[in-house]
Amino acid sequence: NAGVTQTPKFQVLKTGQSMTLQCAQDMNHNSMYWYRQDPGMGLRLIYYSASEGTTDKGEVPNGYNVSRLNKREFSLRLESAAPSQTSVYFCASWDIMRNQPQHFGDGTRLSIL
Amino acid sequence: DAKTTQPTSMDCAEGRAANLPCNHSTISGNEYVYWYRQIHSQGPQYIIHGLKNNETNEMASLIITEDRKSSTLILPHATLRDTAVYYCIVRVPFGNEKLTFGTGTRLTIIP
Repeated sequence: NAGVTQTPKFQVLKTGQSMTLQCAQDMNHNSMYWYRQDPGMGLRLIYYSASEGTTDKGEVPNGYNVSRLNKREFSLRLESAAPSQTSVYFCASWDIMRNQPQHFGDGTRLSIL
Repeated sequence: DAKTTQPTSMDCAEGRAANLPCNHSTISGNEYVYWYRQIHSQGPQYIIHGLKNNETNEMASLIITEDRKSSTLILPHATLRDTAVYYCIVRVPFGNEKLTFGTGTRLTIIP
């Protein structure tokens, strides 16, 4: 089925470790997004990529880096994980030129000890 | 993008219509109203969107007031699987790429 695929689904890290969260979409969307969601909270935008080769900061970018590897893939990297980054991370993609809804992945549940 | 205001939580009896309100009093003329929902810890799911006319699809109906300052999402026959957090978002299509989510309304369907 077409959609947004995130890997891994679960991960436990120790403070200071690094990790890359992967996201891929097969809908030929130009725009891709990374959100985080803390318990009981709404989604907050970390970074987004309006098109291949471009990335922009969202609401909470500190402590993260992103790479838009190609049109399909958009990765999120934690260089030195901190307990405050324990959260559920969602990737999304969107064809904004067609006024179609955003599609979300199932999330990566990340715990940092 | 315009700011939205939603009740924090609502209950609805199973089988009844669930009516979820959203206030967007600062909406501009070219901004659409979108509704998403998030079931448990899954990724948000698109429900419906509209500009000024009422809209209906297989999931829900969207009623937008004539002045466009508020809207109501209607789930006509709520089931237990409709228990979720519902987000109302307004934005300009084809423009700002950001999609800002608030805290939404936690809808609980009661058996």
